[in-house]
Amino acid sequence: GAVVSQHPSRVICKSGTSVKIECRSLDFQATTMFWYRQFPKQSLMLMATSNEGSKATYEQGVEKDKFLINHASLTLSTLTVTSAHPEDSSFYICSAPRTSGGTDTQYFGPGTRLTVL
Amino acid sequence: AQSVAQPEDQVNVAEGNPLTVKCTYSVSGNPYLFWYVQYPNRGLQFLLKYITGDNLVKGSYGFEAEFNKSQTSFHLKKPSALVSDSALYFCAVRDTWNYGQNFVFGPGTRLSVLP
Repeated sequence: GAVVSQHPSRVICKSGTSVKIECRSLDFQATTMFWYRQFPKQSLMLMATSNEGSKATYEQGVEKDKFLINHASLTLSTLTVTSAHPEDSSFYICSAPRTSGGTDTQYFGPGTRLTVL
Repeated sequence: AQSVAQPEDQVNVAEGNPLTVKCTYSVSGNPYLFWYVQYPNRGLQFLLKYITGDNLVKGSYGFEAEFNKSQTSFHLKKPSALVSDSALYFCAVRDTWNYGQNFVFGPGTRLSVLP
């Protein structure tokens, strides 16, 4: 089946530093990837849509200058949390759609737990 | 606008008993419905989807879901629960099957299967 990986799985950083999270589709190409944020015991909230070859589309209320997204290739999207603060601590999940039988299914990465001290 | 409701925050069921996790939806067009499961500190795993065709959809790990258009529901079911089924379950919907379109997720239901 389709596999989406994320790296790192867990990161701890100091306040004010930047953190980069990678999302890779391992056995298929994805022109679009999605970045979600999940707080404890809550559902996934879409942050942005990453588009290969063009700018990302951000959801309302998400600071594009703080959460930088780069879709460098058809298998890689990166999310950089710039000048991280403790309130940015969360579980970040990416997903990529893969077409099969005329429609697509979202495949999710295992998530990255960010802790900002 | 699309929305998904999962009316139960928590469902408890004894091992071996049938389980149901409820989901209702609202979309302006034809619904495309999905169930995902999340284990602690893990990403979401796809269980099953309804696009068109038979109202009863069979998915991974013995799960199935029944699409009911009149009740706008897509409840997840399993005939015999396992302790290993304990996890967080998300229902998701969208009103288009266009490639790359995002889902709207429900709030999640935590399933606990008791030995």
